[in-house]
Amino acid sequence: LAKTTQPISMDSYEGQEVNITCSHNNIATNDYITWYQQFPSQGPRFIIQGYKTKVTNEVASLFIPADRKSSTLSLPRVSLSDTAVYYCLATPQTGGFKTIFGAGTRLFVKA
Amino acid sequence: GAVVSQHPSRVICKSGTSVKIECRSLDFQATTMFWYRQFPKQSLMLMATSNEGSKATYEQGVEKDKFLINHASLTLSTLTVTSAHPEDSSFYICSARRQGVEETQYFGPGTRLLVL
Repeated sequence: LAKTTQPISMDSYEGQEVNITCSHNNIATNDYITWYQQFPSQGPRFIIQGYKTKVTNEVASLFIPADRKSSTLSLPRVSLSDTAVYYCLATPQTGGFKTIFGAGTRLFVKA
Repeated sequence: GAVVSQHPSRVICKSGTSVKIECRSLDFQATTMFWYRQFPKQSLMLMATSNEGSKATYEQGVEKDKFLINHASLTLSTLTVTSAHPEDSSFYICSARRQGVEETQYFGPGTRLLVL
């Protein structure tokens, strides 16, 4: 299973763009990269998933370089309600499909 | 997005009793569900993988006789904490694997267990 490494915490201000980078040097060919958001006492919420290049949805963008050894979650114009823990996971598409969570990144958005 | 529910959302029980937690995929069928445990300020720890119609696969260090998992249908998995003790107090989260163009797990809202 591919291990992911993220910064432990990040601070930002309302209205700023936040980029959280994740390292996954040993990602497998069949792994997708998936990001989740978690608020206290809630289950993780799916944000975005991608395999390579760029993926964008209504809440975020995901940038994945050609070597796929890292990825960057981009949150445009964050608000106070974006304060949460963000997890980057290498999601297997074959085999047992189980996913191991890393420590995640605690994002603090200040007014 | 897909919806996964858990019941109950929180439970308080006495030491020595058993507690059952249900996980349901509401709008899709899930052949595989996962159970996680999360302690305060920590990440999610995978406990076991639950496959419909077969025995669950437990992670190393997780007692299968203490954490009983049943996945009797494509939309329901249950976790029973048997003879619960205070150290079992935690936040239990399930997820369901949704098959499609891409593999994605959708998580339930979690169940807070407090053992007195």
